[in-house]
Amino acid sequence: NAGVMQNPRHLVRRRGQEARLRCSPMKGHSHVYWYRQLPEEGLKFMVYLQKENIIDESGMPKERFSAEFPKEGPSILRIQQVVRGDSAAYFCASSLLPGRGATKYYNEQFFGPGTRLTVL
Amino acid sequence: GQNIDQPTEMTATEGAIVQINCTYQTSGFNGLFWYQQHAGEAPTFLSYNVLDGLEEKGRFSSFLSRSKGYSYLLLKELQMKDSASYLCAVPRNTGFQKLVFGTGTRLLVSP
Repeated sequence: NAGVMQNPRHLVRRRGQEARLRCSPMKGHSHVYWYRQLPEEGLKFMVYLQKENIIDESGMPKERFSAEFPKEGPSILRIQQVVRGDSAAYFCASSLLPGRGATKYYNEQFFGPGTRLTVL
Repeated sequence: GQNIDQPTEMTATEGAIVQINCTYQTSGFNGLFWYQQHAGEAPTFLSYNVLDGLEEKGRFSSFLSRSKGYSYLLLKELQMKDSASYLCAVPRNTGFQKLVFGTGTRLLVSP
């Protein structure tokens, strides 16, 4: 069973260009999460999606960033008109089900290898 | 909101035991995760605690005290391959499991 796949692994863009990051969740997983990790910082939640629905985008910058998870195909994180501050590692995670309450039951998020975006 | 604190760096020698602490403040508690992340790689799951006490899993153990807002990850019989960042994370809210991460503790294991 293949893990979470992300491509490309490395992406270089010039300021003003668009970046498209792809994430294929683990087989059978229908919940996808995107995180950003700036150099020397922790992972920061960006967005949570289910198939064809954005559930929580509270961590997404209001402008230039968008995400989708279509019925068929991978989840896409799109960054328009990139700036140098967008340079970071972008990680995708997937889970079988969303989390539940304070019991022993939980649902692990499996992370992909990340896409390292460099904006020149 | 959530606030998570971990030491930035720790060093230890091969074969030793190391304890990595994490303190957290949350508006609601839905458990605490520990992840391991080697440089340039994806975080991988180590443990999840939602009840007070110690959970042991091989060389790694994780402890939780909900009343103190405190957890630690204990690594025994350290190996060179344990050099990595260790991330403490809490779910933001029930139902969606949006994880809020600390900045991570970089552990360097020397011979």
